[in-house]
Amino acid sequence: GENVEQHPSTLSVQEGDSAVIKCTYSDSASNYFPWYKQELGKRPQLIIDIRSNVGEKKDQRIAVTLNKTAKHFSLHITETQPEDSAVYFCAASIVGYALNFGKGTSLLVTP
Amino acid sequence: DVKVTQSSRYLVKRTGEKVFLECVQDMDHENMFWYRQDPGLGLRLIYFSYDVKMKEKGDIPEGYSVSREKKERFSLILESASTNQTSMYLCASSQGGGKLFFGSGTQLSVL
Repeated sequence: GENVEQHPSTLSVQEGDSAVIKCTYSDSASNYFPWYKQELGKRPQLIIDIRSNVGEKKDQRIAVTLNKTAKHFSLHITETQPEDSAVYFCAASIVGYALNFGKGTSLLVTP
Repeated sequence: DVKVTQSSRYLVKRTGEKVFLECVQDMDHENMFWYRQDPGLGLRLIYFSYDVKMKEKGDIPEGYSVSREKKERFSLILESASTNQTSMYLCASSQGGGKLFFGSGTQLSVL
């Protein structure tokens, strides 16, 4: 089955700096790569996703890049704010099938 | 907005008890999932279902079973609860293309 590795497990940045979280996947058939954000005590929520026919996708301060050849994808957050502090999960799957999640990255943005 | 409701936010059970975790979604989604969340281990898939009366094992099905008698309801059953099943359990639903809508979770403690 699909195996998703996520790094780093913890990340601390100063407000205004950029944050990058990286994931690799094992199954070349995977074609759907979402990112979920989980704030403390809350449920995970989708923040951005990308499909394998696209190399990059942006939504305001967040962007995701995908390298199918290397089987890795990354989340980029620019101009970080304290409210970006949360646990971020990457995932991979074939569209319509169950998601396989990475172990998560705890991001702390300090003022 | 999609609503995924888990019957209990906190649950305390004794070793050996049979435990039922209930999940209901109100958007007529085909797909429903049970994940387990543990610190440092991310979200691990226990079971999922793509249709009524249909179930598929995820990555960690041992010690669990599921039931989906109606489209909107997906139940997770711990046949004989053990202390290593103490965890946060998250139910989710989706329709086709991948975006998961999570419930608020059930924190289960097995004593």
